Amino acid sequence: EAGVTQFPSHSVIEKGQTVTLRCDPISGHDNLYWYRRVMGKEIKFLLHFVKESKQDESGMPNNRFLAERTGGTYSTLKVQPAELEDSGVYFCASSQGLGGSFYNEQFFGPGTRLTVL
Amino acid sequence: KNEVEQSPQNLTAQEGEFITINCSYSVGISALHWLQQHPGGGIVSLFMLSSGKKKHGRLIATINIQEKHSSLHITASHPRDSAVYICAGTDKLIFGTGTRLQVFP
Repeated sequence: EAGVTQFPSHSVIEKGQTVTLRCDPISGHDNLYWYRRVMGKEIKFLLHFVKESKQDESGMPNNRFLAERTGGTYSTLKVQPAELEDSGVYFCASSQGLGGSFYNEQFFGPGTRLTVL
Repeated sequence: KNEVEQSPQNLTAQEGEFITINCSYSVGISALHWLQQHPGGGIVSLFMLSSGKKKHGRLIATINIQEKHSSLHITASHPRDSAVYICAGTDKLIFGTGTRLQVFP
């Protein structure tokens, strides 16, 4: 069974440009999470989808970030316009279970390393 | 101060040594994850526990919810155990800063 996949693995863009990150969760997983690790800091929660609905987006840093999960399958995270401080590694994770319970084990993707110059 | 603190931040060991990584948290949590991040960056979930102890191979995780403390133990450590170990508390995943472990042959 395929795990969580993310695309691209690396992205280098200039300040002001737009970047879209994609996450494909494990098939059948209703819960999808986005996390970010900026240099030297701990991993931070961004948001949580249950199917296509945003269950919790309290970790989204500002309105330059837009996450979608149309159809409840893969998700995209768009940063527009990108700023220098957006550089970091963006992780996606998925878990089974309805209702968004955090008690379900989360399976992580390999991450997307974003560099904003 | 981070809500989830890990110690030590860096740890080196000789192959075969018994290793302990500690995690303390100041927020109320229902369960705690131990994660492993390999040098290539991928994150693997090792354990999720809410009480007592769990064992998987050479890895043992314990948690004391009342004392807000968890430990990850590695018995008979091996160079392939070298990675960053991260604890994260639920309900909303709050991550520690990680412990970088290097095991030398």
